[in-house]
Amino acid sequence: AQSVTQLGSHVSVSEGALVLLRCNYSSSVPPYLFWYVQYPNQGLQLLLKYTSAATLVKGINGFEAEFKKSETSFHLTKPSAHMSDAAEYFCAVSVGGSQGNLIFGKGTKLSVKP
Amino acid sequence: DAGVIQSPRHEVTEMGQEVTLRCKPISGHDYLFWYRQTMMRGLELLIYFNNNVPIDDSGMPEDRFSAKMPNASFSTLKIQPSEPRDSAVYFCASNVRGPTEAFFGQGTRLTVV
Repeated sequence: AQSVTQLGSHVSVSEGALVLLRCNYSSSVPPYLFWYVQYPNQGLQLLLKYTSAATLVKGINGFEAEFKKSETSFHLTKPSAHMSDAAEYFCAVSVGGSQGNLIFGKGTKLSVKP
Repeated sequence: DAGVIQSPRHEVTEMGQEVTLRCKPISGHDYLFWYRQTMMRGLELLIYFNNNVPIDDSGMPEDRFSAKMPNASFSTLKIQPSEPRDSAVYFCASNVRGPTEAFFGQGTRLTVV
């Protein structure tokens, strides 16, 4: 069965610092992996996706994630945090390829300090 | 496009009452999804429709929950009777394909007291 684990329910960084949000997955088949962002009082928005092409995936707002099969990880990074990045971030795995249902992690809330 | 529109944004109701949540998907999207978000369980898929037909309702927690999609531009999620443990944020999402890149509405925050 597919699952994702997000390490750290809350991460705090200073503005301009590196953002690193961790996600590990479990999947019996080659996974499709996703990162979503949820701003306060908003729905989820797709940040980026991995669908078995390039292992380094670039998304919106300067975020990127690297698929590492050996580590079963799909960590999200951004070189320099902005105040506007403060939000909750969800890692998800698809249970049926690009058209499958999503299994979401519990989320990581990112705070950015001035 | 206005995006996925959900109403109401907030709902407070008493235990035992019927609650109806509404969703208007993005025009042209033939997939519609209902999710529930709680602190304990995170984000869960309740049910999804394709071309107005329910495809997978295995996430619907109990018979008290029902969902309909009478036409391509409208869906409802009904809870009858409501219970305090139903308190959550309910999201509707739509897409032209499956759920992996769906567009989410702003959600309905339901509080059952």
